[in-house]
Amino acid sequence: GENVEQHPSTLSVQEGDSAVIKCTYSDSASNYFPWYKQELGKRPQLIIDIRSNVGEKKDQRIAVTLNKTAKHFSLHITETQPEDSAVYFCAASTGTALIFGKGTTLSVSS
Amino acid sequence: DTEVTQTPKHLVMGMTNKKSLKCEQHMGHRAMYWYKQKAKKPPELMFVYSYEKLSINESVPSRFSPECPNSSLLNLHLHALQPEDSALYLCASSQEGQENTEAFFGQGTRLTVV
Repeated sequence: GENVEQHPSTLSVQEGDSAVIKCTYSDSASNYFPWYKQELGKRPQLIIDIRSNVGEKKDQRIAVTLNKTAKHFSLHITETQPEDSAVYFCAASTGTALIFGKGTTLSVSS
Repeated sequence: DTEVTQTPKHLVMGMTNKKSLKCEQHMGHRAMYWYKQKAKKPPELMFVYSYEKLSINESVPSRFSPECPNSSLLNLHLHALQPEDSALYLCASSQEGQENTEAFFGQGTRLTVV
């Protein structure tokens, strides 16, 4: 089955800096790659996703890149703000269900 | 309505109790999921229902019994749980039979087994 590796497990940045989180997946049949943000005690919320026919997608301060050949995808957050502090999960799906990476705890200090 | 609603929000149960978690969505999604999430860990897939039929059971112990009474409802029946089953149980739904689309998560049921 699918296995998703996510790095780093923790990331601390200063407000205004950029943050990058990287994931690799094992199943070449995976074709959908969402990123979720989860604040303490709350549900995971989709922040951006990308499909296998696209190499890059951007939404304001957030961007995701996908390299199908290398089977990795990355989340880029620019101009980080304290409210970006949360746990971020990448996930991959072949069309049946999402398999999540272990998560990255992002801390943005002001 | 883009909500997935789970009840109850919190549940404390003894190891001999029988209880049920409920999940409801009215987005017309035909795929529904149960995930288990322990503290500081990612959601872990338990069950997948597709068109009201169980399509994936990720080797979950039989003390967890899923049920999909109709296309809008998903239940998880609990019996003889162990303290290590304490976790946040998340329900999610997504469209089926199309290009992969967003999975919507409910707010979860925080379960404590005593």
